[in-house]
Amino acid sequence: KQEVTQIPAALSVPEGENLVLNCSFTDSAIYNLQWFRQDPGKGLTSLLLIQSSQREQTSGRLNASLDKSSGRSTLYIAASQPGDSATYLCAVTETSGSRLTFGEGTQLTVNP
Amino acid sequence: NAGVMQNPRHLVRRRGQEARLRCSPMKGHSHVYWYRQLPEEGLKFMVYLQKENIIDESGMPKERFSAEFPKEGPSILRIQQVVRGDSAAYFCASSLLEADTQYFGPGTRLTVL
Repeated sequence: KQEVTQIPAALSVPEGENLVLNCSFTDSAIYNLQWFRQDPGKGLTSLLLIQSSQREQTSGRLNASLDKSSGRSTLYIAASQPGDSATYLCAVTETSGSRLTFGEGTQLTVNP
Repeated sequence: NAGVMQNPRHLVRRRGQEARLRCSPMKGHSHVYWYRQLPEEGLKFMVYLQKENIIDESGMPKERFSAEFPKEGPSILRIQQVVRGDSAAYFCASSLLEADTQYFGPGTRLTVL
């Protein structure tokens, strides 16, 4: 059974810092991996999707990497801003189906 | 392009009543997924549907829960005889292709009194 773990559970940083969020998964037979952000009381916004054949994806100040063999992904956020404050979720799609298996999330607070 | 729409955004039901949650996928998307987020827990997959077909319902409780995605109209998640433990946020997502990027709706927050 696939399990996704995110570390740390919560993170508080001052504005302007570069930071890394970690995600690990137990079964490397994945089709892709997605990073989402969730604002309180809101839905999920897809940030980046990395196919299993890819090593990384970039969008603006965000960079996500994938090491499928070791079951790890990282989300790098450069020059963090207060508007980045949210819960960041990592989710994998297994090759056996289309459903997403989510981690518990990292709650990020960027202080002005 | 309108995103994934869910309604109602908030739903209050008394124990024993029925709850119907609606999801309209993004235009052109024929793959719909339902997830549940219990208080203080992560999102858990419930069911995956394509038009008129249930593809994977392995995450759906065996009793009281059902889902459909008819040829015309929105996808419906139906919960019969709700109990307090059904209180959660229910999210719908859609994708253009199988195993493609999933786009999420704002969720329906169900409260069972």
